[in-house]
Amino acid sequence: DVKVTQSSRYLVKRTGEKVFLECVQDMDHENMFWYRQDPGLGLRLIYFSYDVKMKEKGDIPEGYSVSREKKERFSLILESASTNQTSMYLCATSRTGESSGANVLTFGAGSRLTVL
Amino acid sequence: AQSVTQLDSHVSVSEGTPVLLRCNYSSSYSPSLFWYVQHPNKGLQLLLKYTSAATLVKGINGFEAEFKKSETSFHLTKPSAHMSDAAEYFCVVSDLYGGSQGNLIFGKGTKLSVKP
Repeated sequence: DVKVTQSSRYLVKRTGEKVFLECVQDMDHENMFWYRQDPGLGLRLIYFSYDVKMKEKGDIPEGYSVSREKKERFSLILESASTNQTSMYLCATSRTGESSGANVLTFGAGSRLTVL
Repeated sequence: AQSVTQLDSHVSVSEGTPVLLRCNYSSSYSPSLFWYVQHPNKGLQLLLKYTSAATLVKGINGFEAEFKKSETSFHLTKPSAHMSDAAEYFCVVSDLYGGSQGNLIFGKGTKLSVKP
């Protein structure tokens, strides 16, 4: 019954490495999001996408990029990982349109990244 | 500008006693409001949502929340806590219903502990 899948639950990387976090959904949702979650800060939006090949910056896009080549897949890329990017990363999806389901996010289980 | 404040970072209750998790919001327009729950090492799950219909909203697992416009509050309650309710809870506000998907604001979270 898994609907939003994040490919890696735990990753350990070194400073300067390129990191790819993958998110795949099977719900045919138009919108996909990447958040990072840090203790005491809640969730902060990094990037989101409302269509294939479209992307929008969130609140904290610096140091990150994203790719959405297919509707079901949304990738978060850390071009050169740094220790302050150690965090829990959460992918989420939602449908577009004025309906009872609009704006409701469905989350993946998260990817905990440690940068040494 | 919209914002959301969760008034307690940590709440501790005994099993079988009532739960109250407080949330105040600020919004320029008629908001949509949500509560999400996150169990340890899991993604977030929707508990309930308010979208300008009934002010008392019932969610899953016996939780409910009441939208009070005069108090700009959306507190989460449950009559009787269960051990499985121990988790982190997030209050979320959105100004646009079914519109832009990048405008969800998360509170910083309230950790609920349940003692036997």
